[in-house]
Amino acid sequence: DTGVSQDPRHKITKRGQNVTFRCDPISEHNRLYWYRQTLGQGPEFLTYFQNEAQLEKSRLLSDRFSAERPKGSFSTLEIQRTEQGDSAMYLCASSLGTIETQYFGPGTRLLVL
Amino acid sequence: DQQVKQNSPSLSVQEGRISILNCDYTNSMFDYFLWYKKYPAEGPTFLISISSIKDKNEDGRFTVFLNKSAKHLSLHIVPSQPGDSAVYFCAASATGTYKYIFGTGTRLKVLA
Repeated sequence: DTGVSQDPRHKITKRGQNVTFRCDPISEHNRLYWYRQTLGQGPEFLTYFQNEAQLEKSRLLSDRFSAERPKGSFSTLEIQRTEQGDSAMYLCASSLGTIETQYFGPGTRLLVL
Repeated sequence: DQQVKQNSPSLSVQEGRISILNCDYTNSMFDYFLWYKKYPAEGPTFLISISSIKDKNEDGRFTVFLNKSAKHLSLHIVPSQPGDSAVYFCAASATGTYKYIFGTGTRLKVLA
């Protein structure tokens, strides 16, 4: 399977703990995106990488959130000092071009207790 | 400010009939639109796209129509099949931006 993969698929953590998620995009895609989806809503844009450069961050991405894509391949999204409001599905997508179809991974479902 | 709206949260259609899912947008800069299908506990799956230079795009059972003057697009599925039961999201983007703005989704249920 050469689609977008995400790990872990599920994460339960206690409030105040740090969590890190990983995304592996489709191999030839140089653009990578993180979205967050909460119940009853569509995915909301968080941040975007072109190769290893982080080119845009949403105001939804507070100081507790950081994303990296060190070698322009996989990406990590870290949430520090998690809060209950961080509970959501975190989705990663990749694409070849800017305004082109974004292909999504299966998501990481985070539950903060 | 909801720039992309899907005003019908749910839709039920009989198997074999046409499903029509609607989407409205407010930002006239949007020029590329996608439809995704999402099953529970999975990521969205790309269905079909349309650029603002077109008013229709067809792929098998799926057709997307774009009415730029009304800032409205619709997805037609014909004939509808039980496996089409899912949540459908429309998403819009503008040239020069990197992100898609998604609607809140419409849950389609196709009844056998």
